[in-house]
Amino acid sequence: DVKVTQSSRYLVKRTGEKVFLECVQDMDHENMFWYRQDPGLGLRLIYFSYDVKMKEKGDIPEGYSVSREKKERFSLILESASTNQTSMYLCASKYTGEVFNQPQHFGDGTRLSIL
Amino acid sequence: AQTVTQSQPEMSVQEAETVTLSCTYDTSENNYYLFWYKQPPSRQMILVIRQEAYKQQNATENRFSVNFQKAAKSFSLKISDSQLGDTAMYFCAFAYSGAGSYQLTFGKGTKLSVIP
Repeated sequence: DVKVTQSSRYLVKRTGEKVFLECVQDMDHENMFWYRQDPGLGLRLIYFSYDVKMKEKGDIPEGYSVSREKKERFSLILESASTNQTSMYLCASKYTGEVFNQPQHFGDGTRLSIL
Repeated sequence: AQTVTQSQPEMSVQEAETVTLSCTYDTSENNYYLFWYKQPPSRQMILVIRQEAYKQQNATENRFSVNFQKAAKSFSLKISDSQLGDTAMYFCAFAYSGAGSYQLTFGKGTKLSVIP
């Protein structure tokens, strides 16, 4: 089974701090994704990565950046955390190949609170 | 741009009964994929069922089946013999095979409660 591991399930940080959310997958997937999940808004894509050192903006990239130095690891960075970034953050990975109907595999999520 | 609409924010069903969750989408693409994901209270999102747009036959996975109406751009999920473990948020998602890899566009979700 694919395993996507997010480094923290709960995280509390202060306004203005630089925050790192880490995600590791063990299936050699090319594609990795960061979403935020808010009640009534569903999942919204922040950033995704096709491969190592590649990144693309999703629907809501403002206030975030990402890093993908190794294939298995995809980090989400809040450069200067703000209270409106309090949310649930979900990481996902997916095999590309030639089979486009492959699903994304999700981590358990990190509930981030910015005080 | 693709949009996915789930018009039922919350639903409930009695254990052992059948429930249908609605999903509609809007796209100009012809070759795409549709998914239903389930997120139980423990939070890990898992795939329930998938459907390729080019297949006319509706997908089925045990107690879960879909009613895919391509012309109407509708993709509903039917859960038969509902069980307590089906209590979860359900998300409908759309993807198309463009740009080398694909993004998922999610609906806002339907919170399903199975009542004993």
